[in-house]
Amino acid sequence: KQEVTQIPAALSVPEGENLVLNCSFTDSAIYNLQWFRQDPGKGLTSLLLIQSSQREQTSGRLNASLDKSSGRSTLYIAASQPGDSATYLCAVPNNAGNMLTFGGGTRLMVKP
Amino acid sequence: GAVVSQHPSWVICKSGTSVKIECRSLDFQATTMFWYRQFPKQSLMLMATSNEGSKATYEQGVEKDKFLINHASLTLSTLTVTSAHPEDSSFYICSPSGPQIGQYFGPGTRLTVL
Repeated sequence: KQEVTQIPAALSVPEGENLVLNCSFTDSAIYNLQWFRQDPGKGLTSLLLIQSSQREQTSGRLNASLDKSSGRSTLYIAASQPGDSATYLCAVPNNAGNMLTFGGGTRLMVKP
Repeated sequence: GAVVSQHPSWVICKSGTSVKIECRSLDFQATTMFWYRQFPKQSLMLMATSNEGSKATYEQGVEKDKFLINHASLTLSTLTVTSAHPEDSSFYICSPSGPQIGQYFGPGTRLTVL
C-alpha cells in the first residue's frame, strides 16, 4: 500500500526566504506526482503535476522535482511571500491512475 | 480547467439531523467520484469511491449506512450524512474524475454538528 509522507509538518519563515518542502512515497511505480495548495477552510488548488518521465516542473516561483528511484519529491518556493501561507499537499495516484493518496501536508506560514 | 461545485459550502446542524451534500461537475462527465473528508490540521482522507450507476466502495472504518453516496448521473453525486453527530464535523470534499480527464476537486463543504 502506497504511503506518502511530508516533512516538515509545519514551517514558519520570514518573508523573502527560499524554502523547500519534502515529500516521500514508498512505492516508486507512480504515473505522476501532484502538489496542491489548500487555504484554510478551502478546497484544493493544483499547483504542479510532474509526470513519471519528468524530473521537474516549474510555475512562477514554484519548482517541483521528482526522483522516482528514491521515492522523493521536493517543492521549492523562491522568495516566499505572506500570500504563500497555506498548507501544501503532495499526492500520487494508484496503479489505475484514478485515485490519489495524499501526504499529511506541510503548513507554511510566511511572516511579513 | 474543469469546474466543480459543491452545495452547501457550509452547514451547521443539530445532532441527529441528516445532511445532504451535492457535488456537480459543471463542464465534464465524471465516471468516478471520490469523497474525502478532512479533520482540522489533518490531510485529506478518502472515504469512498463511486462509479456512475454502481454502489460506492467504502474505505475501512467508514460506515456505509451512515454516509450514503448516490452517483446517479455523470455530473451529480451526493453524500448524505445520516443522523449526524459532533464527531462527524469535518470538511467534506468531492473529487470527480474521468478517463483522460484526471482528478479535480470541489471547493469543499464544512459541516458543523452541534
